[in-house]
Amino acid sequence: RKEVEQDPGPFNVPEGATVAFNCTYSNSASQSFFWYRQDCRKEPKLLMSVYSSGNEDGRFTAQLNRASQYISLLIRDSKLSDSATYLCVVNKRGGSYIPTFGRGTSLIVHP
Amino acid sequence: GAGVSQSPRYKVAKRGQDVALRCDPISGHVSLFWYQQALGQGPEFLTYFQNEAQLDKSGLPSDRFFAERPEGSVSTLKIQRTQQEDSAVYLCASSLGGQGNEKLFFGSGTQLSVL
Repeated sequence: RKEVEQDPGPFNVPEGATVAFNCTYSNSASQSFFWYRQDCRKEPKLLMSVYSSGNEDGRFTAQLNRASQYISLLIRDSKLSDSATYLCVVNKRGGSYIPTFGRGTSLIVHP
Repeated sequence: GAGVSQSPRYKVAKRGQDVALRCDPISGHVSLFWYQQALGQGPEFLTYFQNEAQLDKSGLPSDRFFAERPEGSVSTLKIQRTQQEDSAVYLCASSLGGQGNEKLFFGSGTQLSVL
């Protein structure tokens, strides 16, 4: 079982829709959680950190459920420009913090 | 520089050739990570440096892979006797400190194709 699991999708939604992605992680000692966005043939870029209390940034809301070991990302009022792959990242604590990536969830927003 | 710089952008190698991939992190960034990303997959961790110290190399797939960061800035990932399964995008990322909850800044990657 991979340490960070995501449904690869693709999620195909119309503009204006609300879409949610989940990500599960296996290491209960994980400390930090993030969502990154990766456009086709580009490098990943930080979208937002995920805090225990949940956090919102404009149309994006991230939540963490430590008991069930999953994090979620909700996108409201989807835009065409939201089309990308969304990578879940979990920092596990071994000797060092190592950001561990899921395989990503592909989102396609169509007119 | 303004961001993380990787070179070359593309590398084509014949099977059995040695290759060297370079990463120039953001000036002053303590942490440096190398990842391998196959098509349709997420980045897979290879190795981690804090300054010049290689603190974790558990992700290196074989002893053909070697990384160094001798002066705590520029890093080189070397792959000896390349194989077709080494074909992937190699991403370098840096972060300011070593606290583990920091934003990663990625370079554009080196796309390696082994023929």
